[in-house]
Amino acid sequence: AQKVTQAQTEISVVEKEDVTLDCVYETRDTTYYLFWYKQPPSGELVFLIRRNSFDEQNEISGRYSWNFQKSTSSFNFTITASQVVDSAVYFCALSENTNAGKSTFGDGTTLTVKP
Amino acid sequence: EPEVTQTPSHQVTQMGQEVILRCVPISNHLYFYWYRQILGQKVEFLVSFYNNEISEKSEIFDDQFSVERPDGSNFTLKIRSTKLEDSAMYFCASRETPRETQYFGPGTRLLVL
Repeated sequence: AQKVTQAQTEISVVEKEDVTLDCVYETRDTTYYLFWYKQPPSGELVFLIRRNSFDEQNEISGRYSWNFQKSTSSFNFTITASQVVDSAVYFCALSENTNAGKSTFGDGTTLTVKP
Repeated sequence: EPEVTQTPSHQVTQMGQEVILRCVPISNHLYFYWYRQILGQKVEFLVSFYNNEISEKSEIFDDQFSVERPDGSNFTLKIRSTKLEDSAMYFCASRETPRETQYFGPGTRLLVL
């Protein structure tokens, strides 16, 4: 069975601080896909990034960066110079390489960025 | 940019009533999903659908739930006899293949009174 753990329930930072959201996953699959989604107060799930299990390159997109380490089964997300608009719930998810391809989500981390 | 759409955005119903939540997946996508998120909790998988049949369902997806693709564009979730605990946000998602990104609709917020 797959499992995604986001140990940080809530994080509060002051604007312009850097913040890292942790994600640890468990799977028996050798091929799998990892995702991060942002859920603002309006409720929709906004796709941020997808990473394949065979691609351990870290990625940077503007103020966002992701660190994927298979050795520790972690896929952490860092926001540099946080802004108030970054306040949201962030979900890490793991998707199987099967015909069903369902996603298993972590419990989410609520990020509050204060001005 | 293509997107998954869902209707209605909000629905209020009485316990015991039937509800149908509608989704229009992205047009070239072949894999469809429903997820549920109870307020303040994580997103939970309900069911996946491919080639006009259910490919996997969770323990939550019991006999009161059903899914259908009635035509070439819509994908529906029916809850036959709603319970108070069915109150949640219901997300539809679709993807081209299981290896591609799963795109979510904006959700339908269901409130059962």
